[in-house]
Amino acid sequence: DQQVKQNSPSLSVQEGRISILNCDYTNSMFDYFLWYKKYPAEGPTFLISISSIKDKNEDGRFTVFLNKSAKHLSLHIVPSQPGDSAVYFCAASVGWDMRFGAGTRLTVKP
Amino acid sequence: SQTIHQWPATLVQPVGSPLSLECTVEGTSNPNLYWYRQAAGRGLQLLFYSIGIDQISSEVPQNLSASRPQDRQFILSSKKLLLSDSGFYLCAWKPGGEASPLHFGNGTRLTVT
Repeated sequence: DQQVKQNSPSLSVQEGRISILNCDYTNSMFDYFLWYKKYPAEGPTFLISISSIKDKNEDGRFTVFLNKSAKHLSLHIVPSQPGDSAVYFCAASVGWDMRFGAGTRLTVKP
Repeated sequence: SQTIHQWPATLVQPVGSPLSLECTVEGTSNPNLYWYRQAAGRGLQLLFYSIGIDQISSEVPQNLSASRPQDRQFILSSKKLLLSDSGFYLCAWKPGGEASPLHFGNGTRLTVT
């Protein structure tokens, strides 16, 4: 039961360029969406979220876009920095229920 | 401020042995509590969630169980571990009744040998 999918297991970008991570979901009841960053042997760290009543939310270099009709969200990181290299998980939530994708490993090359 | 503690950080257990992982949250009351597992190369799988003391729901039928003996304490247990139980176990919390992020502990790396 994969209600949240991240179809790209990895992404490599050059420092200073834009990183775009994508996520799709199947359950139209989800109303709150999040992105997390995870380093090995650590718990995921919350990055940014968006409510279903919005289509864009910005926080510094991070912007999340939500397309409800397509059941798709994306995370843009501009400019990308080597310290951004990590695994990124998207999540979708309704009430207590929060489901995660399989993650995308981002590598930012100097 | 709120903090979450999860222990132990690493654990190596033989097949058939019992398991007990503990998680506590400080600085909040009546949180929603969760156990997730990340298997090697895979995403975060929801195992259990709890919206209150002794109110626990299981997402995946397996030989694991969870208990919430106190408001801010969540325990993951097994009577007999299987090789397939190996993975990275994460405890998380969020305020009850709100659309808000989950806050994760640092995880427990369990290796069943």
